[in-house]
Amino acid sequence: SQTIHQWPATLVQPVGSPLSLECTVEGTSNPNLYWYRQAAGRGLQLLFYSVGIGQISSEVPQNLSASRPQDRQFILSSKKLLLSDSGFYLCAWSPSNEQFFGPGTRLTVL
Amino acid sequence: DQQVKQNSPSLSVQEGRISILNCDYTNSMFDYFLWYKKYPAEGPTFLISISSIKDKNEDGRFTVFLNKSAKHLSLHIVPSQPGDSAVYFCAARFGNQFYFGTGTSLTVIP
Repeated sequence: SQTIHQWPATLVQPVGSPLSLECTVEGTSNPNLYWYRQAAGRGLQLLFYSVGIGQISSEVPQNLSASRPQDRQFILSSKKLLLSDSGFYLCAWSPSNEQFFGPGTRLTVL
Repeated sequence: DQQVKQNSPSLSVQEGRISILNCDYTNSMFDYFLWYKKYPAEGPTFLISISSIKDKNEDGRFTVFLNKSAKHLSLHIVPSQPGDSAVYFCAARFGNQFYFGTGTSLTVIP
């Protein structure tokens, strides 16, 4: 069976510090991978998606970036965090019609 | 531009009665529709889906209805249980991307 992991589960970072969130998927190969953000009281905003190694599509201009160094690894990064980057970050993978989510990372920028 | 909309931010239902969650969309090119259930600080859990070529799909207590002419999707939960209390997101797929509504918070009153 397939499993998706995210870490860390929670993170508190000061404004201006870097960020690295990691997502890995087990039990499948060449999945489509996604990063979403859910701000407080809001829906899910698609940030990036990837259909293969090194292939990243960005949906929203921002100070975040994503990379896919391996088939089942998806990384969300920032060089300098902003207060507005606070939120709940979700990684997801899609085998075909459905999409399945990881447990999420709660990021608080102070 | 919000292509998938959930116009009711909250819904309260008595235990044992039917819960009806609604979703509207604007893009006629969406070919697959999904419902997710989400608890606070957790990733969304996939519930049920429907292809655009169908008008109904049922799985236990959950039934999804699709009205393509009205661009309307609904999730019926019968009978509602207190454990169903959560935020429900509808989503629609076009190509490799999934578009989410802003969610409806369901409270099932014992």
